[in-house]
Amino acid sequence: GAVVSQHPSRVICKSGTSVKIECRSLDFQATTMFWYRQFPKKSLMLMATSNEGSKATYEQGVEKDKFLINHASLTLSTLTVTSAHPEDSSFYICSASARTGPNTEAFFGQGTRLTVV
Amino acid sequence: QKEVEQNSGPLSVPEGAIASLNCTYSDRVSQSFFWYRQYSGKSPELIMSIYSNGDKEDGRFTAQLNKASQYVSLLIRDSQPSDSATYLCAVLMFSGGYNKLIFGAGTRLAVHP
Repeated sequence: GAVVSQHPSRVICKSGTSVKIECRSLDFQATTMFWYRQFPKKSLMLMATSNEGSKATYEQGVEKDKFLINHASLTLSTLTVTSAHPEDSSFYICSASARTGPNTEAFFGQGTRLTVV
Repeated sequence: QKEVEQNSGPLSVPEGAIASLNCTYSDRVSQSFFWYRQYSGKSPELIMSIYSNGDKEDGRFTAQLNKASQYVSLLIRDSQPSDSATYLCAVLMFSGGYNKLIFGAGTRLAVHP
C-alpha cells in the first residue's frame, strides 16, 4: 500500500496552547485527506475531509475554529488543535487517498496521541 | 440508524478456523467498501477493498459484497493468533462533490491457540 507519514506520533501540551499535526503522503499525490479522532476502544470518528487547494468540509459537531485544517499541497495536510483542553486529548489519525470519487483506497498515517495537561 | 454497523464482538475462534465478520451500511448509492485491521494503539491498516458484488479473494482473506442487501463481509481462513485485532468496515460515500470514508465501530477478533 501507499505510504502516509504522520508527525508527531505523540505530543503532550499544556492547556491553552496549540498543537499542529502534519500528515504527508510520501509516494503519491493525495487529492483527498481525511482527519479522524479515536477515543479508547471506540471507532474512528470522521472530523473533516480536505481536498487540496480548497477549504475542508467539517462533520457536524466539529468546531472549525478549534480544529484548523490546511491542505496546501498534494502531499501535505495539517491539523491544528487550537487552545487545547484536556477533553481534546485523543488519538488523531489522518488518511489520504489519491483521487476523489468511487473506488478510491485510503491509507492511514501512524496516528498522533495528544495529551493535554 | 448508524451509517455503518458491525457487531462489536468479541468474536472468539480457535486457531485454524474460519472467522466471519459482518457489516451492513445504510447508504444505498455507496460503491466502495473496505476492511481495515487495527491493532491496539496503532492506526488502521487496509486489508481488502471491494467494489463489485460477489467475492474477492486475497490470500487467506475473502471479502463478500451484496449491494442489494447492503451487506459486506470478511472471511479469514486458517485464522492465526496474529490475526487477533479489531476489524473495521469502512464505506466510501460520495456526496456533495467530496468523499467521506465512514467507519463502523469495529469487531474485535480473538484467535486462541
